[in-house]
Amino acid sequence: GAGVSQSPSNKVTEKGKDVELRCDPISGHTALYWYRQSLGQGLEFLIYFQGNSAPDKSGLPSDRFSAERTGGSVSTLTIQRTQQEDSAVYLCASLRNWGETEAFFGQGTRLTVV
Amino acid sequence: QKEVEQDPGPLSVPEGAIVSLNCTYSNSAFQYFMWYRQYSRKGPELLMYTYSSGNKEDGRFTAQVDKSSKYISLFIRDSQPSDSATYLCAMSGGGFKTIFGAGTRLFVKA
Repeated sequence: GAGVSQSPSNKVTEKGKDVELRCDPISGHTALYWYRQSLGQGLEFLIYFQGNSAPDKSGLPSDRFSAERTGGSVSTLTIQRTQQEDSAVYLCASLRNWGETEAFFGQGTRLTVV
Repeated sequence: QKEVEQDPGPLSVPEGAIVSLNCTYSNSAFQYFMWYRQYSRKGPELLMYTYSSGNKEDGRFTAQVDKSSKYISLFIRDSQPSDSATYLCAMSGGGFKTIFGAGTRLFVKA
């Protein structure tokens, strides 16, 4: 497809389980971001990948959160031992390059921890 | 202190009102200033962007940047119910990655 694709679109999981969220960026885009969005906190930066550089993990809220980007394309965000406060919409965005003005967002994964 | 501060709202206005949305930032190196619009259950989409200081107009929307005050604004004239969305400011450039504000939720009542 032409846009950023995220899967699953919705995920309900039990507290304490691990979840994996997937992001397929636009082909050729070198920069990829993960954000978390909730009513109370708004949009929160989680992690940033740029080409082959070491990722900027400064926004990850705890060591239960990790992400990887394989082959400079698909990215997976993993949340271990999920907690109820992890419930949010997780958004992925890609940019052609880190200095570009336009970020292209996916539709997000709505995560509910029960 | 966050790099970009944006009031989360919600902001509720009657149809036809002029809306003012604002962000402040701390990094004077930013050069590009963007506004994104996000409808419910959708990802944000770029609405407009401005390079450096000044104004940019697009229909009912005007983006304004004051680099000396590190303050950016988005004005919406003759607001419509279809403008109800979350508006996110963003900035980049000067060797820094794109930074987003938290977003302001806007409701325009018919």
